[in-house]
Order: sequence, then C-alpha cells, then structure tokens
Amino acid sequence: DQQVKQNSPSLSVQEGRISILNCDYTNSMFDYFLWYKKYPAEGPTFLISISSIKDKNEDGRFTVFLNKSAKHLSLHIVPSQPGDSAVYFCAASETGSQGNLIFGKGTKLSVKP
Amino acid sequence: EAGVAQSPRYKIIEKRQSVAFWCNPISGHATLYWYQQILGQGPKLLIQFQNNGVVDDSQLPKDRFSAERLKGVDSTLKIQPAKLEDSAVYLCASSLYGRPYFGPGTRLTVT
Repeated sequence: DQQVKQNSPSLSVQEGRISILNCDYTNSMFDYFLWYKKYPAEGPTFLISISSIKDKNEDGRFTVFLNKSAKHLSLHIVPSQPGDSAVYFCAASETGSQGNLIFGKGTKLSVKP
Repeated sequence: EAGVAQSPRYKIIEKRQSVAFWCNPISGHATLYWYQQILGQGPKLLIQFQNNGVVDDSQLPKDRFSAERLKGVDSTLKIQPAKLEDSAVYLCASSLYGRPYFGPGTRLTVT
C-alpha cells in the first residue's frame, strides 16, 4: 500500500519553461513534506520542504504547494534549466516518527535545451 | 563539512553469500538511517538509530539483515545470506534535527 504516490514516472520540459511535479499522499497524519533531487550514482539531495501549517514555500526557482484537503503537493521549477534534469522524490513524515520518511517512486525530469 | 561516507560503492556477490556495508555519518549527527532503494522505487527505511540505540527496525528482514552502530558513530549493515531480491542501492543517511542527509549509496548486485 503506497502512502506517497508520484504517478508520473517521467516529465520532459523545454529549458526556460515551468516544470510541475506532482505528489499525492493517503496518510492524513503526514504533516511534513520534502522534495529530494537525485542524480545518477549519487544519494538524494534535499531540495525544499513544507510543513502542513503552510500551503506554500518558496526557495529561489523552486516552490512547493500543499493542498491538505486534496492530500496533494506539487513542486514548481521556474525557469527550468538543463542542470535540473534528475529524478525527483517526494517524501512525507509525521510528527513523532523521528525522521522516518516515506518516499514516492520518483519522477524523472528531463529539461531539454 | 564532510558528508555521509559509505563504502564500498559497488558490490557484486552470488546468492547465499554474505556482504557488509559501512557508513560514517556527518560529525555530530545523532540519528543514522539505512534505506534500501530497489530499482524503480523510492528509498525504503530499513533501520533507524538514535546514537547507538535502535529507534525503528520494523522493516528490516531480521532473518537475514543485521545492523549495528558502534559507539554511536559508524554503522555497518550486513546481509547473510543474500537473495536475488536484495539487489538494490543501500543508502545511509544521518540527521541532527529533522531531514536526513544522504550518502552516495552502495549498489549491490546479487547474481
């Protein structure tokens, strides 16, 4: 039973355009959400996070939106750059889990020049 | 600041053999995690240590997997005997508060 779902295995975007990566979750106890980026042969690298008390968090070109009623979050990258090409993982945790993250399967983003 | 170190980076073994992975977390990080990432899947937590005590090992296949954290710093993860389905990347991560920082992982291939 997947608690965190990334339904798009891949996404291709033109350089300079917006990339939107989506994530759905089923566990209403999740209250902290993160996005990690992963390049081949490297470990996941933290990108941005959001707490359930917020509906938006922005960091430079990256913005995460949280819709608690829909149990949905999305990562927006504007403008997309070729260096953003990587696998993006959505992860979630609940208070008291002490950092135990539940990951989605990932979305492979390709940004074409 | 040095990141999480793992070795070896790659390992190929035959089924029924044993294998061990080593992890050195970021200095001062009390929490250490071992995750398993099977191809096409997201990382899955195997075990979590707080200092040298186990916090969560509910998803660790204890009949074949074992892990220890020596003196609350380095950690080893062992598989004995290995099965074909253990082929995966084994990621070590550490944290002080909140989000984990991941190492580069060890890619295990069981033939």
